[in-house]
Amino acid sequence: AQTVTQSQPEMSVQEAETVTLSCTYDTSESDYYLFWYKQPPSRQMILVIRQEAYKQQNATENRFSVNFQKAAKSFSLKISDSQLGDAAMYFCAYRREHDMRFGAGTRLTVKP
Amino acid sequence: GAGVSQSPSNKVTEKGKDVELRCDPISGHTALYWYRQSLGQGLEFLIYFQGNSAPDKSGLPSDRFSAERTGGSVSTLTIQRTQQEDSAVYLCASSSTGSPGEKLFFGSGTQLSVL
Repeated sequence: AQTVTQSQPEMSVQEAETVTLSCTYDTSESDYYLFWYKQPPSRQMILVIRQEAYKQQNATENRFSVNFQKAAKSFSLKISDSQLGDAAMYFCAYRREHDMRFGAGTRLTVKP
Repeated sequence: GAGVSQSPSNKVTEKGKDVELRCDPISGHTALYWYRQSLGQGLEFLIYFQGNSAPDKSGLPSDRFSAERTGGSVSTLTIQRTQQEDSAVYLCASSSTGSPGEKLFFGSGTQLSVL
């Protein structure tokens, strides 16, 4: 079974600084997708970034980028120039077909 | 509608009562998912609907849980004889076709508290 592990229950970052959130996963498949979702206090999950496993190039979305290491089954999220609005729970997710598995999340605090 | 709508936003019930949670997906989305989020935990898959196909119920934790999707649109998650361990946030999501690379659009969830 596929599992997703986020080893950092909580992280904090100073405003304007850079922070990296870790995620590892376990799978025997070669074709799948990886996602980072953000959950603010409103509870509504918002897609931050996605990565297709067959693409070697790391995905980027403005201040958000990933470090995808397929052999190591690692998928970390880097947030550059952190803003107060980035404070939220961040969930890493693995998906193959319709089955999407989420990690337990990392709570990110941004200090002004 | 503009987004995925869930109701009620919060539900407090007594142990042993039945509850119904509603999800209105984005119009035209054929795929609909239910997840459960317990305090301090990630999202736990419950059930998946795709068009007119038989739903994937493999995540339902017990036979007290059931869900239906009428007319390929609105979905209702029913929990019978609620237990305290059912207390959690129940999240609904929809996507356009169910393709694995698609973005899921989530509702704001229903916070269920079983006393």
